[in-house]
Amino acid sequence: GENVEQHPSTLSVQEGDSAVIKCTYSDSASNYFPWYKQELGKGPQLIIDIRSNVGEKKDQRIAVTLNKTAKHFSLHITETQPEDSAVYFCAASTGGGADGLTFGKGTHLIIQP
Amino acid sequence: DTAVSQTPKYLVTQMGNDKSIKCEQNLGHDTMYWYKQDSKKFLKIMFSYNNKELIINETVPNRFSPKSPDKAHLNLHINSLELGDSAVYFCASSLRLAGTDTQYFGPGTRLTVL
Repeated sequence: GENVEQHPSTLSVQEGDSAVIKCTYSDSASNYFPWYKQELGKGPQLIIDIRSNVGEKKDQRIAVTLNKTAKHFSLHITETQPEDSAVYFCAASTGGGADGLTFGKGTHLIIQP
Repeated sequence: DTAVSQTPKYLVTQMGNDKSIKCEQNLGHDTMYWYKQDSKKFLKIMFSYNNKELIINETVPNRFSPKSPDKAHLNLHINSLELGDSAVYFCASSLRLAGTDTQYFGPGTRLTVL
């Protein structure tokens, strides 16, 4: 089955700086890579996703890059703000819904004022 | 309006008891899921349920059984609760049984087994 590795487990950055979270996946058949944000006491919420036919996608301060050859993808957050503090999860899917999403172990992002 | 809702939000019970967690989605989605999040925040799929077809994650003990009275509801029943069942359980839904469809998560149910 799919295995997703996520690094770092904790990331502390100064407000206004950029943050980068990296993930690798094992199954070359995976073709969908969403990122979820989980705030304290809440369920994960999709913030951005990328499909295997695209190398990069941006949405305001958030961007995701995908390198299919190397089987890794990354989340980039620019101009970080206090409300960006949360746990971020990367995930991968082969497109077969029965397997659900395979999640990384999460990154606790801390924005220092 | 809440898209995916779960009840209860907190559940504290004794070992050996049987309990249920309810989930409802008002998105008109065909597919629902149950995930378990352990104390280290690791999220793992337990079940997918689509059009009365249940797909079970083979690592889930058979003490766990999902029950779906209709397309908008997927409840999780747990028999003979064990200490290791303590976790946060999330219900989610997606438009179709397709790994590329966005999954919408509920707020979670924190289960504590004493």
